[in-house]
Amino acid sequence: EAQVTQNPRYLITVTGKKLTVTCSQNMNHEYMSWYRQDPGLGLRQIYYSMNVEVTDKGDVPEGYKVSRKEKRNFPLILESPSPNQTSLYFCASSLWSSGNEQFFGPGTRLTVL
Amino acid sequence: DAKTTQPTSMDCAEGRAANLPCNHSTISGNEYVYWYRQIHSQGPQYIIHGLKNNETNEMASLIITEDRKSSTLILPHATLRDTAVYYCIVRVANSGNTPLVFGKGTRLSVIA
Repeated sequence: EAQVTQNPRYLITVTGKKLTVTCSQNMNHEYMSWYRQDPGLGLRQIYYSMNVEVTDKGDVPEGYKVSRKEKRNFPLILESPSPNQTSLYFCASSLWSSGNEQFFGPGTRLTVL
Repeated sequence: DAKTTQPTSMDCAEGRAANLPCNHSTISGNEYVYWYRQIHSQGPQYIIHGLKNNETNEMASLIITEDRKSSTLILPHATLRDTAVYYCIVRVANSGNTPLVFGKGTRLSVIA
């Protein structure tokens, strides 16, 4: 089944403890992206990747890192999480960057205490 | 990207057609109209998109006015599982990064 998977789905952590949220797609998509969703603010793009080893900042990249060593994986790294990063995170992928549908993962609900 | 305007909420009886309007009066010639939906905190789901012609797929139909300033998403036989927030998005189709910009959307409630 074509899908985008994220792990973990739920995470409660403490300030400063490094964490990684994994994202994987099995559709051979070139484009991948991370969004965060907060009440009243909609979805905002954090980082995106046009292809392997090509990543760039979205609208709200502060406090996050990403990597794209393989086409299928696009992990989101929080080196030193803070409470303002408490949010619902979505990974998305598409065949290329625009003009077609994006497939979203199921989401990761992160709480930073 | 052009902005869109959608009603905050709508109700629809189960089995009836749900017609969700969207205004995008400042849309540019190279911008597509996309529709996504999000069922309570799940990942957004693509529904349909179009440029100027009407489009239909297994989920819905998209009717775009001739001047392209508005469109309507039609779910022909709404079910309880169609209860969700529906987002109308206009987006340039080019080779660069064009993130989806989700507004507030329309909360559709399908009622038994």
